[in-house]
Amino acid sequence: DVKVTQSSRYLVKRTGEKVFLECVQDMDHENMFWYRQDPGLGLRLIYFSYDVKMKEKGDIPEGYSVSREKKERFSLILESASTNQTSMYLCASSLYGGGNSPLHFGNGTRLTVT
Amino acid sequence: TQLLEQSPQFLSIQEGENLTVYCNSSSVFSSLQWYRQEPGEGPVLLVTVVTGGEVKKLKRLTFQFGDARKDSSLHITAAQPGDTGLYLCADGTTSGTYKYIFGTGTRLKVLA
Repeated sequence: DVKVTQSSRYLVKRTGEKVFLECVQDMDHENMFWYRQDPGLGLRLIYFSYDVKMKEKGDIPEGYSVSREKKERFSLILESASTNQTSMYLCASSLYGGGNSPLHFGNGTRLTVT
Repeated sequence: TQLLEQSPQFLSIQEGENLTVYCNSSSVFSSLQWYRQEPGEGPVLLVTVVTGGEVKKLKRLTFQFGDARKDSSLHITAAQPGDTGLYLCADGTTSGTYKYIFGTGTRLKVLA
């Protein structure tokens, strides 16, 4: 069965800390994505990667960076966490881009920045 | 920029009732996906529709894609508490962009 695993379900960090969110997929998918989900705003794409070491900005990349050193792992980095980055973060993967290829999501990491 | 509008935003109904939720796009869908997100979990794909006028059924769920491919509906017959969750529609945009555009969702609560 398809599985996307996010390393933490809940995280509490202080303003200014560097935060790493990790995501691993076991489906040999080419594409991986990081979204944040906020009430009333839906899912917004932060970054995506279509191959190892390749990345592209999504709609809201400011304050974030990503790393994809191995095909199965996609990390989201908050260089200096701020309170407006408190959110639910969802990682997803897909076999190929767009069209009929569905997204497979992890269960999310709820990050609180105090 | 394409916008996906879902309605209603919130819906609370009794077990056994029928309901319909809607997804409307400001432009033609490339393909439409419906996801359900249960509390504390990530969204899970329910269905993908591609052809205008297409109807797909998944047990008690019926998905309809508008002829002009700018709208879709999800109808649930005899809702059950297990149907509770956030229903999201998404456009799997054309290949080459790798981007999916999501609606803001309909939050459904089915009371026993």
